[in-house]
Amino acid sequence: SQQGEEDPQALSIQEGENATMNCSYKTSINNLQWYRQNSGRGLVHLILIRSNEREKHSGRLRVTLDTSKKSSSLLITASRAADTASYFCATVTYGGATNKLIFGTGTLLAVQP
Amino acid sequence: DTAVSQTPKYLVTQMGNDKSIKCEQNLGHDTMYWYKQDSKKFLKIMFSYNNKELIINETVPNRFSPKSPDKAHLNLHINSLELGDSAVYFCASQGGVTEAFFGQGTRLTVV
Repeated sequence: SQQGEEDPQALSIQEGENATMNCSYKTSINNLQWYRQNSGRGLVHLILIRSNEREKHSGRLRVTLDTSKKSSSLLITASRAADTASYFCATVTYGGATNKLIFGTGTLLAVQP
Repeated sequence: DTAVSQTPKYLVTQMGNDKSIKCEQNLGHDTMYWYKQDSKKFLKIMFSYNNKELIINETVPNRFSPKSPDKAHLNLHINSLELGDSAVYFCASQGGVTEAFFGQGTRLTVV
């Protein structure tokens, strides 16, 4: 089952520009995470934001979370060609001994040199 | 040392065959997952194992069976392979509700 949607599905920008990706989800969450996937590779964790946090920064990454709207955004500033990849949000729900890590549909980012 | 390793990386097999994909994690995590990524890049959760007990089975056909001999391993066995099973399968492990670590994926092609 898919937790939510991401938009845009694809994004093409020039090096140096900022890239913004949005994620919506459906249920209450413990935290929301963003992952990156280079073509043909596994997923790599980028950043985690807890349900009681509204904004978090890590290097050139800025994540916001609005639990009232069940949405999050990932901003990559001063993009580089090496940022070209697919980006996925994932929600973590936790109940007792149960973990669920459910992914959104992903955004394919292409950064043109 | 690779945190999460899965083998094989590529698997080409004929319809009707039975195959297994192995996954091992050396992180001491309690939770392991199997995901299927289709041609549209959607990542669908298939199974979650927490302390060797199956927690989730997301409407996956019973031809797929996870097997966990111990906390560090979660193997995926597939019976009677079908063309629609062709995809990339990812194993992942997670400690509590923190970040998950993924294997490099197994590209399964059923011909």
